[in-house]
Amino acid sequence: KQEVTQIPAALSVPEGENLVLNCSFTDSAIYNLQWFRQDPGKGLTSLLLIQSSQREQTSGRLNASLDKSSGRSTLYIAASQPGDSATYLCAVRRVRDDKIIFGKGTRLHILP
Amino acid sequence: KAGVTQTPRYLIKTRGQQVTLSCSPISGHRSVSWYQQTPGQGLQFLFEYFSETQRNKGNFPGRFSGRQFSNSRSEMNVSTLELGDSALYLCASSLDHRSTDTQYFGPGTRLTVL
Repeated sequence: KQEVTQIPAALSVPEGENLVLNCSFTDSAIYNLQWFRQDPGKGLTSLLLIQSSQREQTSGRLNASLDKSSGRSTLYIAASQPGDSATYLCAVRRVRDDKIIFGKGTRLHILP
Repeated sequence: KAGVTQTPRYLIKTRGQQVTLSCSPISGHRSVSWYQQTPGQGLQFLFEYFSETQRNKGNFPGRFSGRQFSNSRSEMNVSTLELGDSALYLCASSLDHRSTDTQYFGPGTRLTVL
């Protein structure tokens, strides 16, 4: 059974700090891994999509890495800002049934 | 280009009733997926449609059903509502169903079952 775990469930850091969010998954047979952010009461916004053959993707202050062999991905946020406060979710698309499985997210609060 | 739209945004129903939710994908997108989000279970996959055909289905009871129209718009229906069906229902569209395709989410429909 594919499980996706995100630890910690919540995180508070002062503005300006660099931070890392973690995502682990049990089944390494995946097509891709995607990071999303969700603001309260809103839908999800796609941040980065990493294909299984890739090691990392970058967009602005965000960098996501993927290590399939260890079942881990990290989302690195540089120079955090209050606007980065949101819940960050990772999701894997697994090979065996082509379903997308989400973690429960990390709720991030950037302190001004 | 307009994003994914979902209607209605909020809905209140009572147990035993049925409900239909609507999703309009981004123009040109042919794949639509539905998810249920609750505080306890998080985001769970309901089903995926592509070119009017259901190509994948999550582990939900038969009370949950959906369809896709020729213009790619999709509806999902929940019959005989239960209290546990209260959730945020999210729709996502993508260009195709390839693994390289990014999913774009709508704002969701908040369903409350009393």
